[in-house]
Amino acid sequence: GESVGLHLPTLSVQEGDNSIINCAYSNSASDYFIWYKQESGKGPQFIIDIRSNMDKRQGQRVTVLLNKTVKHLSLQIAATQPGDSAVYFCAENRAAGNKLTFGGGTRVLVKP
Amino acid sequence: NAGVTQTPKFRILKIGQSMTLQCTQDMNHNYMYWYRQDPGMGLKLIYYSVGAGITDKGEVPNGYNVSRSTTEDFPLRLELAAPSQTSVYFCASSYGGKNTEAFFGQGTRLTVV
Repeated sequence: GESVGLHLPTLSVQEGDNSIINCAYSNSASDYFIWYKQESGKGPQFIIDIRSNMDKRQGQRVTVLLNKTVKHLSLQIAATQPGDSAVYFCAENRAAGNKLTFGGGTRVLVKP
Repeated sequence: NAGVTQTPKFRILKIGQSMTLQCTQDMNHNYMYWYRQDPGMGLKLIYYSVGAGITDKGEVPNGYNVSRSTTEDFPLRLELAAPSQTSVYFCASSYGGKNTEAFFGQGTRLTVV
């Protein structure tokens, strides 16, 4: 079936290092791929998206890479900070109904 | 701006009871969504709506119903609550189209005993 999934359930990162969170998807018909951050006890918060016809998009301290050949999405966080500790979800957005489908999440733990 | 507001924040239901989870947004968004999140898991789409008067099933609609009589409100109804419906429920809204950013409420933690 169609799904968005993640490779790593937990990622421990030293403060100041770069983080890389990976995601695999199976539906090539998605129009956008999106990363969300969820802090404990809160709803998910939008980080960055990338359109399906792009390979790379940069934001503030974050970069999203899309490899359509292997159906792989990644989120890179530069100079990881304690405030980056959270669960990160990849999601796909299809134009039909703007339906958001989420993956299972990766927990990022930042060590001081 | 309040954004997306969900009520209640917490609720305990007995098996077989029913309840309505309320969701309202003040951003004039056309698209609204209901998700459930089981512990340690991702979000599963229950129902969504592309505008007032229109609703569609998501991945896990069984046991739930929704209505969208206004742009602002998108209540989720649980009939005959079951332990399998114990979860955290999130409502979200978005403009849609090229604007993919969805805004989420704080969630409703529901326990069915």
